[in-house]
Amino acid sequence: GQNIDQPTEMTATEGAIVQINCTYQTSGFNGLFWYQQHAGEAPTFLSYNVLDGLEEKGRFSSFLSRSKGYSYLLLKELQMKDSASYLCAALSGGYNKLIFGAGTRLAVHP
Amino acid sequence: GAVVSQHPSRVICKSGTSVKIECRSLDFQATTMFWYRQFPKQSLMLMATSNEGSKATYEQGVEKDKFLINHASLTLSTLTVTSAHPEDSSFYICSARGTGAEQYFGPGTRLTVT
Repeated sequence: GQNIDQPTEMTATEGAIVQINCTYQTSGFNGLFWYQQHAGEAPTFLSYNVLDGLEEKGRFSSFLSRSKGYSYLLLKELQMKDSASYLCAALSGGYNKLIFGAGTRLAVHP
Repeated sequence: GAVVSQHPSRVICKSGTSVKIECRSLDFQATTMFWYRQFPKQSLMLMATSNEGSKATYEQGVEKDKFLINHASLTLSTLTVTSAHPEDSSFYICSARGTGAEQYFGPGTRLTVT
Protein backbone atom coordinates (compact mmCIF):
# COMPACT_ATOMS: atom_id res chain seq x y z
CA GLY A 1 0.00 0.00 0.00
CA GLN A 2 0.91 3.64 0.07
CA ASN A 3 1.81 5.26 3.35
CA ILE A 4 3.32 8.56 4.45
CA ASP A 5 4.19 9.07 8.11
CA GLN A 6 5.18 12.29 9.83
CA PRO A 7 4.80 13.54 13.39
CA THR A 8 1.48 15.16 14.22
CA GLU A 9 2.77 18.13 16.18
CA MET A 10 6.04 19.82 17.06
CA THR A 11 6.97 22.89 19.06
CA ALA A 12 10.10 24.97 18.83
CA THR A 13 11.53 28.27 20.01
CA GLU A 14 12.00 31.35 17.87
CA GLY A 15 15.52 31.44 16.46
CA ALA A 16 16.07 27.71 16.89
CA ILE A 17 16.36 24.88 14.36
CA VAL A 18 13.73 22.19 13.87
CA GLN A 19 13.77 19.01 11.80
CA ILE A 20 10.53 17.43 10.59
CA ASN A 21 10.88 13.82 9.54
CA CYS A 22 8.86 11.91 6.98
CA THR A 23 8.92 8.25 6.02
CA TYR A 24 7.13 6.92 2.99
CA GLN A 25 6.14 3.75 1.21
CA THR A 26 4.75 4.30 -2.26
CA SER A 27 4.75 2.53 -5.58
CA GLY A 28 6.33 4.20 -8.57
CA PHE A 29 8.10 6.76 -6.40
CA ASN A 30 9.30 9.75 -8.37
CA GLY A 31 10.22 12.35 -5.79
CA LEU A 32 9.30 13.97 -2.49
CA PHE A 33 7.68 17.35 -1.96
CA TRP A 34 7.40 19.52 1.12
CA TYR A 35 4.63 22.09 1.38
CA GLN A 36 3.78 24.71 4.00
CA GLN A 37 0.14 25.33 4.81
CA HIS A 38 -1.27 28.03 7.05
CA ALA A 39 -4.72 27.45 8.49
CA GLY A 40 -7.47 28.07 5.96
CA GLU A 41 -5.07 28.53 3.09
CA ALA A 42 -3.80 26.35 0.27
CA PRO A 43 -0.37 24.69 0.47
CA THR A 44 2.65 26.56 -0.79
CA PHE A 45 5.63 24.81 -2.33
CA LEU A 46 8.81 24.56 -0.29
CA SER A 47 10.98 21.89 -1.91
CA TYR A 48 11.19 18.94 -4.26
CA ASN A 49 13.79 16.20 -3.94
CA VAL A 50 14.15 13.48 -6.52
CA LEU A 51 17.77 12.47 -5.94
CA ASP A 52 19.37 11.45 -2.67
CA GLY A 53 20.96 14.23 -0.69
CA LEU A 54 20.39 17.64 0.78
CA GLU A 55 18.83 20.58 -1.04
CA GLU A 56 19.30 23.95 0.63
CA LYS A 57 17.14 26.96 -0.05
CA GLY A 58 17.64 29.85 2.34
CA ARG A 59 16.42 28.98 5.83
CA PHE A 60 14.86 25.75 4.60
CA SER A 61 16.65 22.56 3.60
CA SER A 62 15.25 19.19 2.57
CA PHE A 63 16.91 15.79 2.55
CA LEU A 64 16.00 12.59 0.79
CA SER A 65 17.18 8.98 1.09
CA ARG A 66 15.39 6.84 -1.46
CA SER A 67 16.88 3.60 -0.17
CA LYS A 68 15.52 4.30 3.32
CA GLY A 69 12.22 5.84 2.23
CA TYR A 70 13.04 8.82 4.38
CA SER A 71 13.04 12.59 4.09
CA TYR A 72 13.34 15.52 6.42
CA LEU A 73 12.68 19.23 6.28
CA LEU A 74 15.07 21.42 8.25
CA LEU A 75 14.01 24.91 9.26
CA LYS A 76 16.69 27.25 10.60
CA GLU A 77 16.44 30.57 12.42
CA LEU A 78 12.81 29.94 13.18
CA GLN A 79 10.41 32.86 13.03
CA MET A 80 6.93 33.17 14.47
CA LYS A 81 5.50 33.19 10.95
CA ASP A 82 6.87 29.66 10.46
CA SER A 83 4.06 28.38 12.68
CA ALA A 84 2.07 26.31 10.18
CA SER A 85 1.43 22.78 9.02
CA TYR A 86 4.16 21.14 6.98
CA LEU A 87 3.03 18.52 4.52
CA CYS A 88 5.22 15.76 3.17
CA ALA A 89 4.01 14.42 -0.18
CA ALA A 90 5.38 11.60 -2.33
CA LEU A 91 5.04 11.73 -6.08
CA SER A 92 3.73 8.37 -7.17
CA GLY A 93 3.12 6.69 -10.49
CA GLY A 94 5.35 8.88 -12.59
CA TYR A 95 4.15 12.45 -12.37
CA ASN A 96 0.60 11.45 -11.77
CA LYS A 97 -0.24 11.57 -8.08
CA LEU A 98 0.84 13.32 -4.94
CA ILE A 99 0.26 11.21 -1.85
CA PHE A 100 0.13 13.50 1.18
CA GLY A 101 1.03 12.76 4.74
CA ALA A 102 -1.26 13.99 7.49
CA GLY A 103 0.93 17.03 8.07
CA THR A 104 3.00 18.21 11.01
CA ARG A 105 1.66 21.21 12.91
CA LEU A 106 4.60 23.31 14.02
CA ALA A 107 4.15 25.88 16.76
CA VAL A 108 6.95 28.42 17.16
CA HIS A 109 6.94 30.26 20.47
CA PRO A 110 9.00 33.22 21.71
CA GLY B 1 4.58 32.71 -12.80
CA ALA B 2 2.58 29.49 -12.27
CA VAL B 3 -0.52 31.02 -10.72
CA VAL B 4 -3.69 29.03 -10.18
CA SER B 5 -6.96 30.68 -9.25
CA GLN B 6 -10.14 29.25 -7.82
CA HIS B 7 -13.61 30.69 -7.76
CA PRO B 8 -15.48 31.14 -5.55
CA SER B 9 -13.29 31.33 -2.46
CA ARG B 10 -16.26 30.72 -0.19
CA VAL B 11 -19.73 29.42 -0.89
CA ILE B 12 -22.70 28.58 1.29
CA CYS B 13 -25.48 26.54 -0.24
CA LYS B 14 -28.57 24.73 0.90
CA SER B 15 -28.77 20.99 1.16
CA GLY B 16 -29.85 19.41 -2.11
CA THR B 17 -28.50 22.12 -4.38
CA SER B 18 -25.47 21.95 -6.66
CA VAL B 19 -22.33 24.06 -6.52
CA LYS B 20 -19.74 24.62 -9.22
CA ILE B 21 -16.12 25.46 -8.42
CA GLU B 22 -13.75 26.74 -11.10
CA CYS B 23 -10.01 26.22 -11.23
CA ARG B 24 -7.91 28.19 -13.71
CA SER B 25 -4.22 28.19 -14.54
CA LEU B 26 -3.53 31.84 -15.31
CA ASP B 27 -0.11 31.86 -16.92
CA PHE B 28 0.56 28.32 -18.08
CA GLN B 29 -1.18 25.47 -19.79
CA ALA B 30 -2.15 22.72 -17.40
CA THR B 31 -2.01 19.29 -18.94
CA THR B 32 -3.37 17.82 -15.75
CA MET B 33 -5.46 19.24 -12.94
CA PHE B 34 -6.16 17.65 -9.59
CA TRP B 35 -8.98 18.10 -7.11
CA TYR B 36 -8.41 17.62 -3.39
CA ARG B 37 -10.63 17.80 -0.35
CA GLN B 38 -9.41 18.72 3.11
CA PHE B 39 -11.37 18.34 6.33
CA PRO B 40 -10.35 20.32 9.42
CA LYS B 41 -6.99 19.31 10.86
CA GLN B 42 -6.58 16.63 8.23
CA SER B 43 -4.36 16.39 5.19
CA LEU B 44 -5.27 16.78 1.57
CA MET B 45 -7.12 13.82 0.07
CA LEU B 46 -6.97 13.45 -3.69
CA MET B 47 -10.45 13.16 -5.16
CA ALA B 48 -9.75 12.97 -8.87
CA THR B 49 -7.28 13.65 -11.63
CA SER B 50 -8.37 15.26 -14.85
CA ASN B 51 -6.61 15.60 -18.17
CA GLU B 52 -7.80 18.07 -20.74
CA GLY B 53 -10.34 16.60 -23.10
CA SER B 54 -10.71 13.26 -21.35
CA LYS B 55 -12.70 11.80 -18.50
CA ALA B 56 -11.48 12.32 -14.99
CA THR B 57 -9.96 9.49 -12.99
CA TYR B 58 -11.56 9.25 -9.57
CA GLU B 59 -9.95 7.91 -6.43
CA GLN B 60 -11.48 4.96 -4.67
CA GLY B 61 -14.49 5.95 -2.61
CA VAL B 62 -15.19 9.17 -4.50
CA GLU B 63 -18.57 9.14 -6.26
CA LYS B 64 -18.13 10.30 -9.82
CA ASP B 65 -21.84 11.04 -10.23
CA LYS B 66 -21.78 13.31 -7.21
CA PHE B 67 -18.55 15.13 -7.97
CA LEU B 68 -18.66 16.03 -11.64
CA ILE B 69 -15.37 17.16 -13.13
CA ASN B 70 -14.98 18.85 -16.48
CA HIS B 71 -11.60 19.80 -17.94
CA ALA B 72 -12.69 21.59 -21.08
CA SER B 73 -9.49 23.46 -21.85
CA LEU B 74 -5.83 23.56 -20.89
CA THR B 75 -6.51 26.37 -18.45
CA LEU B 76 -9.86 25.50 -16.88
CA SER B 77 -11.27 22.66 -14.85
CA THR B 78 -14.55 22.68 -12.95
CA LEU B 79 -15.82 20.61 -10.05
CA THR B 80 -19.57 20.43 -9.51
CA VAL B 81 -20.83 19.07 -6.22
CA THR B 82 -24.30 17.79 -7.02
CA SER B 83 -27.09 17.42 -4.48
CA ALA B 84 -24.83 18.73 -1.75
CA HIS B 85 -25.29 17.58 1.83
CA PRO B 86 -23.83 18.95 5.08
CA GLU B 87 -21.21 16.18 5.10
CA ASP B 88 -19.85 17.63 1.83
CA SER B 89 -18.86 20.78 3.71
CA SER B 90 -15.10 20.96 3.33
CA PHE B 91 -12.17 22.87 1.88
CA TYR B 92 -11.79 22.01 -1.80
CA ILE B 93 -8.42 22.71 -3.39
CA CYS B 94 -7.37 22.30 -6.99
CA SER B 95 -3.88 22.05 -8.37
CA ALA B 96 -2.51 22.23 -11.86
CA ARG B 97 0.55 20.72 -13.45
CA GLY B 98 2.28 21.78 -16.64
CA THR B 99 5.08 19.79 -18.17
CA GLY B 100 7.09 19.25 -14.99
CA ALA B 101 6.50 17.39 -11.75
CA GLU B 102 5.41 20.29 -9.59
CA GLN B 103 1.77 20.93 -8.87
CA TYR B 104 0.68 24.50 -8.31
CA PHE B 105 -2.19 24.89 -5.90
CA GLY B 106 -5.14 27.21 -6.07
CA PRO B 107 -6.20 29.19 -2.99
CA GLY B 108 -9.02 26.79 -2.16
CA THR B 109 -12.80 27.02 -1.87
CA ARG B 110 -14.54 26.75 1.48
CA LEU B 111 -17.89 25.02 0.93
CA THR B 112 -20.54 25.10 3.66
CA VAL B 113 -23.76 23.18 3.10
CA THR B 114 -26.62 24.14 5.42
